[in-house]
Amino acid sequence: KAGVTQTPRYLIKTRGQQVTLSCSPISGHRSVSWYQQTPGQGLQFLFEYFSETQRNKGNFPGRFSGRQFSNSRSEMNVSTLELGDSALYLCASSFSRVGYEQYFGPGTRLTVT
Amino acid sequence: KQEVTQIPAALSVPEGENLVLNCSFTDSAIYNLQWFRQDPGKGLTSLLLIQSSQREQTSGRLNASLDKSSGRSTLYIAASQPGDSATYLCAAGTGSSNTGKLIFGQGTTLQVKP
Repeated sequence: KAGVTQTPRYLIKTRGQQVTLSCSPISGHRSVSWYQQTPGQGLQFLFEYFSETQRNKGNFPGRFSGRQFSNSRSEMNVSTLELGDSALYLCASSFSRVGYEQYFGPGTRLTVT
Repeated sequence: KQEVTQIPAALSVPEGENLVLNCSFTDSAIYNLQWFRQDPGKGLTSLLLIQSSQREQTSGRLNASLDKSSGRSTLYIAASQPGDSATYLCAAGTGSSNTGKLIFGQGTTLQVKP
Protein backbone atom coordinates (compact mmCIF):
# COMPACT_ATOMS: atom_id res chain seq x y z
CA LYS A 1 0.00 0.00 0.00
CA ALA A 2 1.43 3.37 -0.97
CA GLY A 3 2.25 5.79 1.82
CA VAL A 4 1.29 9.41 2.26
CA THR A 5 2.54 11.53 -0.60
CA GLN A 6 3.16 15.26 -0.57
CA THR A 7 3.86 17.60 -3.45
CA PRO A 8 5.93 19.52 -4.12
CA ARG A 9 8.82 18.37 -1.95
CA TYR A 10 10.61 21.70 -2.08
CA LEU A 11 9.44 25.25 -2.67
CA ILE A 12 11.11 28.63 -2.69
CA LYS A 13 8.81 31.63 -2.52
CA THR A 14 9.15 35.35 -1.97
CA ARG A 15 7.56 37.31 0.87
CA GLY A 16 4.02 38.34 0.02
CA GLN A 17 3.37 35.46 -2.36
CA GLN A 18 0.98 32.63 -1.68
CA VAL A 19 1.58 28.90 -1.85
CA THR A 20 -0.50 25.72 -2.11
CA LEU A 21 0.73 22.38 -0.81
CA SER A 22 -0.87 19.06 -1.64
CA CYS A 23 -1.26 15.83 0.32
CA SER A 24 -2.57 12.44 -0.81
CA PRO A 25 -3.41 10.16 2.13
CA ILE A 26 -3.02 6.41 2.30
CA SER A 27 -5.78 4.68 0.37
CA GLY A 28 -8.79 4.21 2.64
CA HIS A 29 -7.73 6.86 5.13
CA ARG A 30 -10.30 9.60 5.61
CA SER A 31 -8.61 11.90 8.10
CA VAL A 32 -5.84 14.28 7.09
CA SER A 33 -3.93 16.54 9.45
CA TRP A 34 -1.28 19.15 8.76
CA TYR A 35 1.67 20.11 10.95
CA GLN A 36 4.37 22.76 10.73
CA GLN A 37 7.89 21.91 11.88
CA THR A 38 10.48 24.58 12.64
CA PRO A 39 13.75 24.40 14.61
CA GLY A 40 12.46 26.85 17.19
CA GLN A 41 8.88 25.70 17.73
CA GLY A 42 9.14 22.03 16.83
CA LEU A 43 6.06 20.31 15.45
CA GLN A 44 2.84 22.29 15.73
CA PHE A 45 -0.67 21.27 14.70
CA LEU A 46 -2.25 23.31 11.92
CA PHE A 47 -5.59 21.66 11.16
CA GLU A 48 -7.45 18.39 10.71
CA TYR A 49 -9.89 17.46 7.97
CA PHE A 50 -12.40 14.64 7.87
CA SER A 51 -15.18 14.15 5.33
CA GLU A 52 -14.25 17.39 3.58
CA THR A 53 -14.80 19.39 6.79
CA GLN A 54 -12.25 21.09 8.99
CA ARG A 55 -12.68 19.45 12.41
CA ASN A 56 -9.95 21.17 14.37
CA LYS A 57 -7.62 24.12 13.93
CA GLY A 58 -4.38 25.04 15.66
CA ASN A 59 -3.24 28.44 16.79
CA PHE A 60 -2.19 29.86 13.44
CA PRO A 61 -3.29 33.07 11.69
CA GLY A 62 -6.02 33.09 9.09
CA ARG A 63 -3.40 33.22 6.34
CA PHE A 64 -3.19 29.46 6.80
CA SER A 65 -6.13 27.60 5.30
CA GLY A 66 -6.89 24.24 3.86
CA ARG A 67 -9.46 22.01 2.31
CA GLN A 68 -10.20 18.36 1.70
CA PHE A 69 -11.68 16.84 -1.41
CA SER A 70 -14.16 13.99 -1.74
CA ASN A 71 -11.30 11.53 -2.43
CA SER A 72 -9.71 12.60 0.91
CA ARG A 73 -6.83 14.42 -0.78
CA SER A 74 -6.05 17.67 0.98
CA GLU A 75 -4.45 20.97 0.17
CA MET A 76 -3.21 23.71 2.44
CA ASN A 77 -2.71 27.29 1.38
CA VAL A 78 -0.63 30.02 2.91
CA SER A 79 -1.28 33.54 1.70
CA THR A 80 0.88 36.64 2.06
CA LEU A 81 3.95 34.63 2.96
CA GLU A 82 6.26 35.84 5.72
CA LEU A 83 9.87 34.87 6.39
CA GLY A 84 8.71 33.03 9.51
CA ASP A 85 6.60 30.68 7.41
CA SER A 86 9.77 28.92 6.28
CA ALA A 87 9.35 25.41 7.61
CA LEU A 88 8.82 21.76 6.86
CA TYR A 89 5.09 21.17 6.36
CA LEU A 90 4.02 17.65 7.18
CA CYS A 91 0.79 15.92 6.31
CA ALA A 92 -0.50 12.93 8.27
CA SER A 93 -3.30 10.56 7.45
CA SER A 94 -5.25 8.13 9.59
CA PHE A 95 -8.16 5.79 9.06
CA SER A 96 -10.53 7.93 11.08
CA ARG A 97 -10.62 10.84 13.47
CA VAL A 98 -9.69 9.86 16.98
CA GLY A 99 -7.38 7.22 18.37
CA TYR A 100 -6.01 5.84 15.12
CA GLU A 101 -2.34 5.62 14.21
CA GLN A 102 -1.14 8.59 12.20
CA TYR A 103 1.12 8.11 9.20
CA PHE A 104 3.20 11.00 7.97
CA GLY A 105 4.35 11.99 4.52
CA PRO A 106 7.88 13.14 3.62
CA GLY A 107 6.93 16.80 3.96
CA THR A 108 7.22 19.90 1.84
CA ARG A 109 10.18 22.14 2.61
CA LEU A 110 9.08 25.74 2.13
CA THR A 111 11.67 28.51 2.05
CA VAL A 112 10.48 32.11 2.03
CA THR A 113 13.02 34.72 0.92
CA LYS B 1 -3.14 22.87 27.99
CA GLN B 2 -1.23 19.71 27.15
CA GLU B 3 2.56 19.97 27.20
CA VAL B 4 4.93 17.19 26.21
CA THR B 5 8.54 17.09 27.33
CA GLN B 6 11.32 14.77 26.25
CA ILE B 7 14.49 14.20 28.19
CA PRO B 8 17.33 14.12 27.32
CA ALA B 9 17.44 16.40 24.28
CA ALA B 10 20.46 14.51 22.95
CA LEU B 11 22.08 11.20 23.70
CA SER B 12 25.24 9.53 22.44
CA VAL B 13 25.90 5.86 23.17
CA PRO B 14 28.24 3.14 21.90
CA GLU B 15 26.81 0.44 19.69
CA GLY B 16 25.21 -2.45 21.54
CA GLU B 17 23.95 -0.49 24.54
CA ASN B 18 20.38 -0.70 25.75
CA LEU B 19 18.82 2.73 26.23
CA VAL B 20 15.70 4.46 27.45
CA LEU B 21 14.14 7.62 26.07
CA ASN B 22 11.72 9.50 28.29
CA CYS B 23 8.54 11.39 27.50
CA SER B 24 6.29 13.18 29.97
CA PHE B 25 2.93 14.88 29.48
CA THR B 26 1.02 17.22 31.74
CA ASP B 27 -2.59 16.19 31.05
CA SER B 28 -3.45 12.53 31.57
CA ALA B 29 -6.59 12.87 29.40
CA ILE B 30 -4.93 11.42 26.31
CA TYR B 31 -6.44 8.83 24.01
CA ASN B 32 -3.09 7.45 22.86
CA LEU B 33 0.63 8.08 22.72
CA GLN B 34 2.69 7.58 19.59
CA TRP B 35 6.46 7.31 19.15
CA PHE B 36 8.07 8.43 15.91
CA ARG B 37 11.49 8.43 14.35
CA GLN B 38 12.71 11.27 12.15
CA ASP B 39 15.85 11.17 10.05
CA PRO B 40 17.42 14.52 9.07
CA GLY B 41 15.30 16.41 6.54
CA LYS B 42 12.76 13.59 6.34
CA GLY B 43 9.21 12.96 7.45
CA LEU B 44 8.16 11.01 10.53
CA THR B 45 8.11 7.23 10.69
CA SER B 46 5.66 5.73 13.17
CA LEU B 47 7.35 3.30 15.55
CA LEU B 48 4.76 2.39 18.17
CA LEU B 49 1.26 3.42 19.14
CA ILE B 50 -0.02 2.84 22.67
CA GLN B 51 -3.74 3.32 23.30
CA SER B 52 -4.71 4.90 26.62
CA SER B 53 -6.02 1.56 27.88
CA GLN B 54 -2.73 -0.21 27.20
CA ARG B 55 0.43 -0.34 29.28
CA GLU B 56 3.00 -1.21 26.63
CA GLN B 57 3.68 -2.13 23.03
CA THR B 58 6.59 -3.99 21.48
CA SER B 59 8.03 -4.10 18.00
CA GLY B 60 11.30 -5.90 17.44
CA ARG B 61 13.99 -4.26 19.56
CA LEU B 62 11.63 -1.47 20.62
CA ASN B 63 9.37 -1.44 23.63
CA ALA B 64 7.22 1.49 24.66
CA SER B 65 5.39 1.82 27.96
CA LEU B 66 2.67 4.17 29.09
CA ASP B 67 1.74 5.26 32.62
CA LYS B 68 -1.13 7.72 32.33
CA SER B 69 -1.42 8.32 36.06
CA SER B 70 2.13 9.62 36.28
CA GLY B 71 2.07 11.26 32.84
CA ARG B 72 5.00 9.27 31.50
CA SER B 73 6.01 7.11 28.57
CA THR B 74 9.33 5.47 27.86
CA LEU B 75 10.83 4.04 24.69
CA TYR B 76 13.30 1.24 25.31
CA ILE B 77 15.74 0.38 22.54
CA ALA B 78 17.63 -2.88 22.97
CA ALA B 79 21.06 -3.58 21.52
CA SER B 80 21.36 -0.22 19.78
CA GLN B 81 22.85 -0.02 16.28
CA PRO B 82 24.35 2.87 14.27
CA GLY B 83 21.24 2.72 12.05
CA ASP B 84 19.17 3.71 15.08
CA SER B 85 20.75 7.18 14.96
CA ALA B 86 17.89 9.65 14.45
CA THR B 87 15.60 11.99 16.33
CA TYR B 88 12.89 10.26 18.33
CA LEU B 89 9.64 12.11 18.97
CA CYS B 90 6.76 11.25 21.23
CA ALA B 91 3.32 12.68 20.65
CA ALA B 92 0.27 12.67 22.89
CA GLY B 93 -3.05 12.18 21.15
CA THR B 94 -5.59 14.64 22.56
CA GLY B 95 -9.03 15.87 21.60
CA SER B 96 -12.72 15.16 21.84
CA SER B 97 -14.84 12.36 20.48
CA ASN B 98 -15.06 14.12 17.12
CA THR B 99 -11.56 15.28 16.48
CA GLY B 100 -8.02 14.86 17.64
CA LYS B 101 -4.53 16.15 17.26
CA LEU B 102 -1.04 15.18 18.30
CA ILE B 103 0.97 17.29 20.73
CA PHE B 104 4.66 16.65 20.15
CA GLY B 105 7.67 16.80 22.40
CA GLN B 106 10.83 18.48 21.17
CA GLY B 107 12.50 15.15 20.52
CA THR B 108 15.61 13.27 21.62
CA THR B 109 18.44 13.15 19.09
CA LEU B 110 20.20 9.82 19.39
CA GLN B 111 23.65 9.04 18.07
CA VAL B 112 24.87 5.44 18.20
CA LYS B 113 28.60 5.21 17.65
CA PRO B 114 30.11 2.12 15.95
